[in-house]
Amino acid sequence: GAGVSQSPSNKVTEKGKDVELRCDPISGHTALYWYRQSLGQGLEFLIYFQGNSAPDKSGLPSDRFSAERTGGSVSTLTIQRTQQEDSAVYLCASRTDRDRNTEAFFGQGTRLTVV
Amino acid sequence: GESVGLHLPTLSVQEGDNSIINCAYSNSASDYFIWYKQESGKGPQFIIDIRSNMDKRQGQRVTVLLNKTVKHLSLQIAATQPGDSAVYFCAESIDFGNEKLTFGTGTRLTIIP
Repeated sequence: GAGVSQSPSNKVTEKGKDVELRCDPISGHTALYWYRQSLGQGLEFLIYFQGNSAPDKSGLPSDRFSAERTGGSVSTLTIQRTQQEDSAVYLCASRTDRDRNTEAFFGQGTRLTVV
Repeated sequence: GESVGLHLPTLSVQEGDNSIINCAYSNSASDYFIWYKQESGKGPQFIIDIRSNMDKRQGQRVTVLLNKTVKHLSLQIAATQPGDSAVYFCAESIDFGNEKLTFGTGTRLTIIP
């Protein structure tokens, strides 16, 4: 597709279960970001992938959170043993590095609800 | 209703008037700045950007001003329309190998018909 695609769009899970959120970036974009947005709040940085470099994981809130990016394209954010405070919209964005000063394009997000 | 917690700053503007949204950034090494607009239920959308070697950039009905001395960024929207109602975020990026985008808190703009 032409834009960043995230799936599922909505996910309801029981506390303690693991969840996987998927992001398909724009083709050819080498930079990929995950952000978390709680209701009525700003964007909290989670993790950033750039090409083959080691990812910047400085925003992951706990070791229950992990992410990988296979083949430099699709990324999966995994949350283990989910807690109610993990409920939020998880946003993925991608960006090209052909020109370093470019905007990131966002997907619609995955709304995660932990019950 | 809304959850308890940090609430976004809000700005209400009469339709047709101009609006100014402000953002303070913290990193003097930031080299690139972006304004995003986020409508309810959607991901942020790019509005306009500016590099640190500029102090002003204009788009269609929007102008971004950058004051590096006081680390301040503003977004001016001219002749506001109901469709401008949204949350507006500024973002900054350091352009020397780590291009992590850091977002500001956001401002909720409401256009009053």
